[in-house]
Amino acid sequence: AQSVTQPDIHITVSEGASLELRCNYSYGATPYLFWYVQSPGQGLQLLLKYFSGDTLVQGIKGFEAEFKRSQSSFNLRKPSVHWSDAAEYFCAVGPKAAGNKLTFGGGTRVLVKP
Amino acid sequence: EPEVTQTPSHQVTQMGQEVILRCVPISNHLYFYWYRQILGQKVEFLVSFYNNEISEKSEIFDDQFSVERPDGSNFTLKIRSTKLEDSAMYFCASRGTPSTDTQYFGPGTRLTVL
Repeated sequence: AQSVTQPDIHITVSEGASLELRCNYSYGATPYLFWYVQSPGQGLQLLLKYFSGDTLVQGIKGFEAEFKRSQSSFNLRKPSVHWSDAAEYFCAVGPKAAGNKLTFGGGTRVLVKP
Repeated sequence: EPEVTQTPSHQVTQMGQEVILRCVPISNHLYFYWYRQILGQKVEFLVSFYNNEISEKSEIFDDQFSVERPDGSNFTLKIRSTKLEDSAMYFCASRGTPSTDTQYFGPGTRLTVL
């Protein structure tokens, strides 16, 4: 069965510092991979996605993620964090098939210090 | 930009009562989903819906749950007899076509069962 692990429950980072959020997945084949962000009181907003091709994908708000097949990882990065990046971040995987049920990780809550 | 909308934003109900959560997916999208997030837990898939029928459902989605697309715009989740453990945030999502694999999420409905 597919699963997604986000090892870090909480991360605190200073504004302007870099951020990396880890995501490891277990899947029978190469899945579709997603990062979503949930700001307080808001829904899930898609940051970026990986389907195929270039393993480094760019997303919105200055985020990028790198797919590493050998490590079954899809880590999210941002070079310089802004206070507005404080939120909860979810990694998700889905099958390359119709239906496309997403399996989510437990989320990483990011706190940004001034 | 088109978005998924959900009503109400917060619903409080008594145990044993029926509730209907409403969603308006993005116009022209064909696939519809419900997920839920119990406080402090992962976002979990409930059900997917395509061509006026359920295409996949999780173990959570038992006989107490049903979904319907009563007209060309709304997509509803009904819980017939709510339990305390149904308290959660319920997210609706929609996806465009078989060749697109991105799900767009609504802001969620927080259901509180007393």
